[in-house]
Amino acid sequence: KNQVEQSPQSLIILEGKNCTLQCNYTVSPFSNLRWYKQDTGRGPVSLTIMTFSENTKSNGRYTATLDADTKQSSLHITASQLSDSASYICVVSASGGYQKVTFGTGTKLQVIP
Amino acid sequence: GAGVSQSPRYKVAKRGQDVALRCDPISGHVSLFWYQQALGQGPEFLTYFQNEAQLDKSGLPSDRFFAERPEGSVSTLKIQRTQQEDSAVYLCASSLGYLGGNQPQHFGDGTRLSIL
Repeated sequence: KNQVEQSPQSLIILEGKNCTLQCNYTVSPFSNLRWYKQDTGRGPVSLTIMTFSENTKSNGRYTATLDADTKQSSLHITASQLSDSASYICVVSASGGYQKVTFGTGTKLQVIP
Repeated sequence: GAGVSQSPRYKVAKRGQDVALRCDPISGHVSLFWYQQALGQGPEFLTYFQNEAQLDKSGLPSDRFFAERPEGSVSTLKIQRTQQEDSAVYLCASSLGYLGGNQPQHFGDGTRLSIL
C-alpha cells in the first residue's frame, strides 16, 4: 500500500529561525512529489513539485529536496515568519495510466514571536 | 473568481439526511478531484474526474457517496443517509491537465460537513 509519512507531527519555532520538515514515502512507481501549505480553514496551496530527476526546488524561502533512492524529501523554511504558521503536507503521486495521489498527514508548524 | 469555489462552506445536517456539495473548478481544467479531510489529518482521495468521465471512484467510502460532473465542469458530491462518521471537510481540487502531468492541483477551501 502506498504510504506517505511526515515528521515531526507538530513543531513550534521562533520567528526568524529556520526549520526542516521531513517526508518519507513508499509510493511506487514514483511520478512526482509535491509540498503543500494549508492554512487553517483553507484548502492546500502548492509550494513545490519535483519529479524523479530533480533533487531540489525552491520557492522563495521554501526549499524542497528529494532523494529518490532513499524515498525521502524535506522542506526547509528559511527565516520563518508568523505567516508560515500552517500545516505542511507532502503529497506523492504514482505513475501508470493515470496517477493516484497519496497525502501525508502533515506537519503542523507554529511560528511564535 | 479565478480559483476553485466550493459551496456551501459549512453544512450541518441531521443523521439520515441527504446532502449535496458543489464544486466549481477553474475554467478549462480537465481534472477534478474530491477529497475527504478529517480533523488533523491529510486529505484522503475520494474520486477523480477527467472531464465528465469518472475514472476512479475507489476512494468513496460507501455506496451512499455519489459524485457527478455531467458537463465536465461543475461537480457535485452527494451523500445519502448521512452518518456521523461522514463529518469532515470535503475538498475539491482541479488541475489543468490530465492526471499524468505535473501541473499542481488547485484546491478550494472546502465544505465543512457536520452531521448531528
